[in-house]
Amino acid sequence: ELKVEQNPLFLSMQEGKNYTIYCNYSTTSDRLYWYRQDPGKSLESLFVLLSNGAVKQEGRLMASLDTKARLSTLHITAAVHDLSATYFCAVDKGWGGADGLTFGKGTHLIIQP
Amino acid sequence: DTGVSQDPRHKITKRGQNVTFRCDPISEHNRLYWYRQTLGQGPEFLTYFQNEAQLEKSRLLSDRFSAERPKGSFSTLEIQRTEQGDSAMYLCASSRIRGGSNIQYFGAGTRLSVL
Repeated sequence: ELKVEQNPLFLSMQEGKNYTIYCNYSTTSDRLYWYRQDPGKSLESLFVLLSNGAVKQEGRLMASLDTKARLSTLHITAAVHDLSATYFCAVDKGWGGADGLTFGKGTHLIIQP
Repeated sequence: DTGVSQDPRHKITKRGQNVTFRCDPISEHNRLYWYRQTLGQGPEFLTYFQNEAQLEKSRLLSDRFSAERPKGSFSTLEIQRTEQGDSAMYLCASSRIRGGSNIQYFGAGTRLSVL
């Protein structure tokens, strides 16, 4: 059974600081996704990482993937209040399996002025 | 608006009643998914369609749950004899494989409350 673990589950930080969210998964997967969810809203796709060493960046967010360690990170640089949200990583079984995503529990991020 | 749309947005029902939700995917997407999300948790996969074929069902999808996608376009999720434990947000997503990725685009969800 594919399992996805995120940490931390809750993070409160100040604007201007840097921090990293970690996502570990239990079995081999070809595709890892990061989503953002605002309170009461649906999920917004942020990044998809397809290969070992893949790095994607958008604004103050950067995601990376290490398939050997089964680890992805989401790094926040110089955080601003607008980045407050819940961030989920998700994995699918890739080409060899079905395509339903397995999500982590999410990291609830609060950025205080 | 060409995003994934779900209807209704909210549903309140009494225990034992049947409910049906509808999802309209992005028009060119051939894959459609249903997930369930409870407070403080990530979405949990329920079932998946490729065109009109239902290709995978999670063990979370009990016999009281049924999903259809009759013409490979919109989909419905029905819950029979609802229980209080069915209270959750039901999310629909659609996708089309491009460049090796399968980004799923989510609708706003249907929030079900079973009294």
